[in-house]
Amino acid sequence: GDSVTQTEGLVTLTKGLPVMLNCTYQTTYSPFLFWYVQHLNEAPKLLLKSSTDNKRTEHQGFYATLHKSSSSFHLQKSSVQLSDSALYFCALSVQLNSGYNKLTFGKGTVLLVSP
Amino acid sequence: GPKVLQIPSHQIIDMGQMVTLNCDPVSNHLYFYWYKQILGQQMEFLVNFYNGKVMEKSKLFKDQFSVERPDGSYFTLKIQPTALEDSAVYFCASSDWARSYEQYFGPGTRLTVL
Repeated sequence: GDSVTQTEGLVTLTKGLPVMLNCTYQTTYSPFLFWYVQHLNEAPKLLLKSSTDNKRTEHQGFYATLHKSSSSFHLQKSSVQLSDSALYFCALSVQLNSGYNKLTFGKGTVLLVSP
Repeated sequence: GPKVLQIPSHQIIDMGQMVTLNCDPVSNHLYFYWYKQILGQQMEFLVNFYNGKVMEKSKLFKDQFSVERPDGSYFTLKIQPTALEDSAVYFCASSDWARSYEQYFGPGTRLTVL
């Protein structure tokens, strides 16, 4: 079946350093990938999305490129800030038999940024 | 931006009791979803709902689960009776059309079954 793998459970970094959070997926369908960010006691919010192979997508300083050849959609930022501390979910959208979509999530990666 | 609200934020109940989790979706959205996340594990799809009907449900959506949205009020997830393995955070989401890839999530309800 469809699945999403995030290899890091926790990433700790000092402010100003670059970060890459890994995401790989498995599906037999045409993939639509997402990154959601969830701050403490808040709802998950959409950060990035892409279905276009080898095209970089950016938002709020974060960027990711969908690589269908390696089934990856890694999240990157060149310089993390304290406010980036949050839980990051990678998700794959799959179209169901009914025609509706559902999201398949990775386990999530906690990013902790220290001063 | 658009917000989805969930009430309550926490609920503690005894095994075997009934619980109703409430979701106030984005006002013009018509498609609603529930997801379940057990501590330390992935968020997993439970069910989606449109026009008063369940459109799709996963294996996690047991017979004890039901959803409804009476008269355009809250979109609810009812569990009756509850079991210990129902302890989790339940997230509601909504979208504005069937194939929308963008779902808006609520902050979740943490359910603890004792």
